[in-house]
Amino acid sequence: DAGVIQSPRHEVTEMGQEVTLRCKPISGHDYLFWYRQTMMRGLELLIYFNNNVPIDDSGMPEDRFSAKMPNASFSTLKIQPSEPRDSAVYFCASSFLLGGQGNTEAFFGQGTRLTVV
Amino acid sequence: AQSVTQLGSHVSVSEGALVLLRCNYSSSVPPYLFWYVQYPNQGLQLLLKYTTGATLVKGINGFEAEFKKSETSFHLTKPSAHMSDAAEYFCALSGSRLTFGEGTQLTVNP
Repeated sequence: DAGVIQSPRHEVTEMGQEVTLRCKPISGHDYLFWYRQTMMRGLELLIYFNNNVPIDDSGMPEDRFSAKMPNASFSTLKIQPSEPRDSAVYFCASSFLLGGQGNTEAFFGQGTRLTVV
Repeated sequence: AQSVTQLGSHVSVSEGALVLLRCNYSSSVPPYLFWYVQYPNQGLQLLLKYTTGATLVKGINGFEAEFKKSETSFHLTKPSAHMSDAAEYFCALSGSRLTFGEGTQLTVNP
């Protein structure tokens, strides 16, 4: 498997524009996570899905952020409208449940570096 | 509720010295624990993990960690630091979601 694939790797956009980040999880993984990483706030969990269903979106900062998982092999994180403070690295990760007790390790993509100017 | 605490946001060691990065956790169920490393401008990479069995686990690049239930700790060690170990290290706890610590930036001085 090629691992978790994110696109684009870098995105520069103007304030007010819509931004869509994409993620392809590892085949067979039934959990998908979206994280945001900044110097100020560190690594934050935005939302996670189990079997394509959003389970916890309490980390989504505002209504401008939305995430979807239409099928097991694809997820998007959308920001509309974007603002300069959204500038960060956004990571997607996937995992699976191990023995019903907890998830095995999350496999991370390389991230999307978003710059909103 | 689950939580992970990494003691020390910055650790600095000399090349060849012992590396010790501290992690304590809180969990109501037997935990699965992980250490990740993040090099500049890269994603997080798994260093090692504890699920069940042997409490001393070995990972990549000479790192190891010991699960101590009585101390609710999972500290990461490496006997001899190398310049290439400079990175940020994250401890994580598994439940239905991964809970990450705040991260520890490791600096290795020549």
